[in-house]
Amino acid sequence: AQSVAQPEDQVNVAEGNPLTVKCTYSVSGNPYLFWYVQYPNRGLQFLLKYITGDNLVKGSYGFEAEFNKSQTSFHLKKPSALVSDSALYFCAVRDREGSGNTGKLIFGQGTTLQVKP
Amino acid sequence: GAVVSQHPSRVICKSGTSVKIECRSLDFQATTMFWYRQFPKQSLMLMATSNEGSKATYEQGVEKDKFLINHASLTLSTLTVTSAHPEDSSFYICSANRGNYEQYFGPGTRLTVT
Repeated sequence: AQSVAQPEDQVNVAEGNPLTVKCTYSVSGNPYLFWYVQYPNRGLQFLLKYITGDNLVKGSYGFEAEFNKSQTSFHLKKPSALVSDSALYFCAVRDREGSGNTGKLIFGQGTTLQVKP
Repeated sequence: GAVVSQHPSRVICKSGTSVKIECRSLDFQATTMFWYRQFPKQSLMLMATSNEGSKATYEQGVEKDKFLINHASLTLSTLTVTSAHPEDSSFYICSANRGNYEQYFGPGTRLTVT
């Protein structure tokens, strides 16, 4: 079965410092990986995706993620955190099992990012 | 970017009544939409996949007679919570597939059943 794990419930970082939010995956075949951000009482906003190509993917709001096939990881990074980056972050993989590409997303449990001034 | 709307954003209803939540793709057509449920500080739980012109596909453990899904057009899917009970109180989020890879999410609907 396909799965995504976010090992940290919360990540704390000081404003201006680099941040990393971790994600590992388990899939059959080549993964389609995504990062989303959720602010309180809001839906999810798309940050970036990896489908194929360069392992370093750049996304919205200065975020990037590195696909590492050998470590089955897709960690989210930003060189300099902002207080406004504080939110709930979800890693997801697209379901490709069973009858094929169903389009369903399988989400990690989420990581709360807290950026302190 | 693509926009998905939900209506209402908040609803309070009495136990035993039914509530309908609408999900619309505003600037693209979506043959497939998804309905999720989210509990506080938890991940999203996929409830069902809504396909335009056909019956929804429900995830295991989700009661299809309680959570009625209709995808009548390429821009509208509705979720009706029938005979709502307090345990149905939750944050419901829809999403729509655009193209092959991208899924866009609505802002969510907070349902409170009293």
